[in-house]
Amino acid sequence: GDSVTQMEGPVTLSEEAFLTINCTYTATGYPSLFWYVQYPGEGLQLLLKATKADDKGSNKGFEATYRKETTSFHLEKGSVQVSDSAVYFCALREIQGAQKLVFGQGTRLTINP
Amino acid sequence: DGGITQSPKYLFRKEGQNVTLSCEQNLNHDAMYWYRQDPGQGLRLIYYSQIVNDFQKGDIAEGYSVSREKKESFPLTVTSAQKNPTAFYLCASSMGQGAGNTEAFFGQGTRLTVV
Repeated sequence: GDSVTQMEGPVTLSEEAFLTINCTYTATGYPSLFWYVQYPGEGLQLLLKATKADDKGSNKGFEATYRKETTSFHLEKGSVQVSDSAVYFCALREIQGAQKLVFGQGTRLTINP
Repeated sequence: DGGITQSPKYLFRKEGQNVTLSCEQNLNHDAMYWYRQDPGQGLRLIYYSQIVNDFQKGDIAEGYSVSREKKESFPLTVTSAQKNPTAFYLCASSMGQGAGNTEAFFGQGTRLTVV
């Protein structure tokens, strides 16, 4: 079945550092791709998405580009803030069968002032 | 405001008890999902439903049961057969099949603790 692999965490950075969280996927066809963010004790919120190859999703300074050649959807931000500390999940939506969401294992990000 | 609501936020269960977690959405979504999240872990799919009166097991359905009698509601029962139920439970909904480019919306979660 389809699967998503994220870089292992936790990731700790200083404020204003550049962030990359790697995400690769294995899927049938070209599924839509998503990044979700989870703050402590809360549910998941959609951060950004891309629905076809070469699309770039962006929101709140975060960006990710759908790369079908490398089956990747890496999350980047040029200058992180303390408030970006959270757990980030990469996900895809299956294009066959039940079209379920498939999640990566999550990456915990901590930003120090 | 449209959204998805889980209740209660915190729930305590005694050994051998069944408990039911509520999930309601007013987004007119066909598909609904239940996930379990353990500390420091990712999400694991328990059950999902693509349409009213139909649901399928996910990856870890043992010890859980669901119903989907109304489009808006997808309650999860954690039965006494679930040997390690302490976890954070997340409910989600999305547009159904045929809307594969759309995202899922999540509730705020229910933290279940066995006492």
